[in-house]
Amino acid sequence: GAVVSQHPSWVICKSGTSVKIECRSLDFQATTMFWYRQFPKQSLMLMATSNEGSKATYEQGVEKDKFLINHASLTLSTLTVTSAHPEDSSFYICSARDRGGAPYEQYFGPGTRLTVT
Amino acid sequence: EDQVTQSPEALRLQEGESSSLNCSYTVSGLRGLFWYRQDPGKGPEFLFTLYSAGEEKEKERLKATLTKKESFLHITAPKPEDSATYLCGQTGGGADGLTFGKGTHLIIQP
Repeated sequence: GAVVSQHPSWVICKSGTSVKIECRSLDFQATTMFWYRQFPKQSLMLMATSNEGSKATYEQGVEKDKFLINHASLTLSTLTVTSAHPEDSSFYICSARDRGGAPYEQYFGPGTRLTVT
Repeated sequence: EDQVTQSPEALRLQEGESSSLNCSYTVSGLRGLFWYRQDPGKGPEFLFTLYSAGEEKEKERLKATLTKKESFLHITAPKPEDSATYLCGQTGGGADGLTFGKGTHLIIQP
């Protein structure tokens, strides 16, 4: 149980283009989903929190116009990196909180490796 | 500022050699303290949630404990497949997401 998937698992794009990453909870409903970013040999940094049907809440320093988050259903959230630049290259990981699960627990997806050339 | 500090940064053990990983946290109003395992190039795998001081949880060779200031992940008689980075995270102080430490990179040599 508590399986989260991400698609794609890796993507290479040219500078200036946009990339969309999907995050799905496969066997539970997630009222809250989170997006994290992880640079090489560093820990996960929270980028934003999204609640189904609401606007996402972004952490300080994260540009909301650059990282567009949509949480349209209880099982799907998307992160779109707009006008990507090489410095956006990173490992993006989503997590989801099971609406019927233990308090505050989050289950993570396998991550998406983004490389901007 | 809420912080999570993990030590040691790296630990190399022989197979069967038990040890403990430390996680110190500073959030006020802790809602939960979490342990995850992360393999290279993969997302974190959930291990434990601890909610209050004195709580303990076990799973196979792992045992997590919590005090008011820190948490320990005890690993008993580890095997090479236990090699991974172990992440500690906290939520609390009004925040919903997790604040993670930098992790402990654990290597178990056969």
